[in-house]
Amino acid sequence: EVQLVESGGGLVQPGGSLRLSCAASGFTFSDHYMDWVRQAPGKGLEWVGRTRNKAKSYTTEYAASVKGRFTISRDASQNSLYLQMNSLKAEDTAVYYCTRSFLSGKNYIDSWGQGTLVTVSS
Amino acid sequence: DIQLTQSPSFLSASVGDRVTITCRASQGISSFLAWFQQKPGKAPKLLIFAASTLQSGVPSRFSGSGSGTEFTLTVSSLQPEDFATYYCQHLNSYPLTFGGGTKVEIK
Repeated sequence: EVQLVESGGGLVQPGGSLRLSCAASGFTFSDHYMDWVRQAPGKGLEWVGRTRNKAKSYTTEYAASVKGRFTISRDASQNSLYLQMNSLKAEDTAVYYCTRSFLSGKNYIDSWGQGTLVTVSS
Repeated sequence: DIQLTQSPSFLSASVGDRVTITCRASQGISSFLAWFQQKPGKAPKLLIFAASTLQSGVPSRFSGSGSGTEFTLTVSSLQPEDFATYYCQHLNSYPLTFGGGTKVEIK
């Protein structure tokens, strides 16, 4: 069974940094694309970014709203995905979801974690 | 960037109703579209991918259609557990984006 468990959320001041983690299990982690998706309180879903699989050298893509401030990485030895968030703004306040994509085709998201809440406030 | 516009943003319906939600893309995205269902306090769940392929385990009352710029999600006979918010997402090019969502509530 696919399991994705996020951690690391919490309260941080504007301009601060936070690193989210996602522990993955139940599948071959290095084979899959992985994304971060966020949802501000009471709002819709926003795609944050993606890391491709090992075959694609774990390259990354980002939404314009976070590019240059957020970095996605992974540790295949730990089956873990990370989201390093710097220069945080109030508008980054959201539940952050770790997701896994299909093995093939267009890499649609097929599994989600339970999410971790990040609050950016002074 | 490709924008996805969902309509309606809110829908009131009764159990047993046929419900259709539309997702329009600002430019052609072939069939690279997914639909998700989200219930309050829960993570989204994949319903449909590649515009019309039903994800394993999803009831057959859900169906998707469309290509290019216009897509629809249809629930043939709404059940109590279907009251939720629905989102489309395109995977044509980066950045990937979601539609604004359609909340389906009980009439």
